[in-house]
Amino acid sequence: DAGVTQSPTHLIKTRGQHVTLRCSPISGHKSVSWYQQVLGQGPQFIFQYYEKEERGRGNFPDRFSARQFPNYSSELNVNALLLGDSALYLCASSLGLAGVDTQYFGPGTRLTVL
Amino acid sequence: ILNVEQSPQSLHVQEGDSTNFTCSFPSSNFYALHWYRWETAKSPEALFVMTLNGDEKKKGRISATLNTKEGYSYLYIKGSQPEDSATYLCALNRDDKIIFGKGTRLHILP
Repeated sequence: DAGVTQSPTHLIKTRGQHVTLRCSPISGHKSVSWYQQVLGQGPQFIFQYYEKEERGRGNFPDRFSARQFPNYSSELNVNALLLGDSALYLCASSLGLAGVDTQYFGPGTRLTVL
Repeated sequence: ILNVEQSPQSLHVQEGDSTNFTCSFPSSNFYALHWYRWETAKSPEALFVMTLNGDEKKKGRISATLNTKEGYSYLYIKGSQPEDSATYLCALNRDDKIIFGKGTRLHILP
C-alpha cells in the first residue's frame, strides 16, 4: 500500500506569490493534518481536517488556508508569501482524529521563498 | 500557551549503552501523548500513542512510560545501535491542536 504522498517535493517562490501544496493520505484514512517545520524546531501544527471539515487550527495567519476533498486528499494554500514561510511542510494522515490515532507522515514539501 | 518540553536537546551515547530522555507537559486536560522517531532524510515515524496514566509501551528495544498527573513521559532505548541515531519527538493533543516538542537529537557513537 502507498504511504502518504506529497507534491511537489521542492518549490521555489518569490515574496508575495501564492503556493498550493498537495497531500494524498493513506487509503482509508479520513484525517489529514498539516505542519510547518523549520530547522531546530519541532513541527508546528497548522491545520487538521477530518471528514472534509476543519477540526483544528494552529497559530498561523489567515494567509494560510486548507481544504480536504471528497477523496480525503488535501491542499494547503499560502498567500502573499513571506521569507519566513520558507520551511518543510509536512502532511500526515490518520484513520481518525490525529490527536488520538497514529499519524503517518509524508516526505514533505521543501518551500523556499526568495 | 501549551509548552511541550523535551530534554536533553542533544545526546551522545556509546553503542551498546542504554539511554533515556524526557518529555514534559502541563498535566491538566491531558488527552494523548505521541512519540515519533525522525531519521535524517526520512519522514517522522510513529513509535507510540499513550493515553492512560501509568501507560507503558514497548517496541523492540524502545519503551515509553507516561505519568499524566505529574506531566511527563520517558522514552528508553536499551542497548543503543547505530540505527537509533535520530531525533525523537513527543507531541501532545490539546484543544484540537497537536503540539510538538523541539525533540531530542540522539547520536550513537561507534
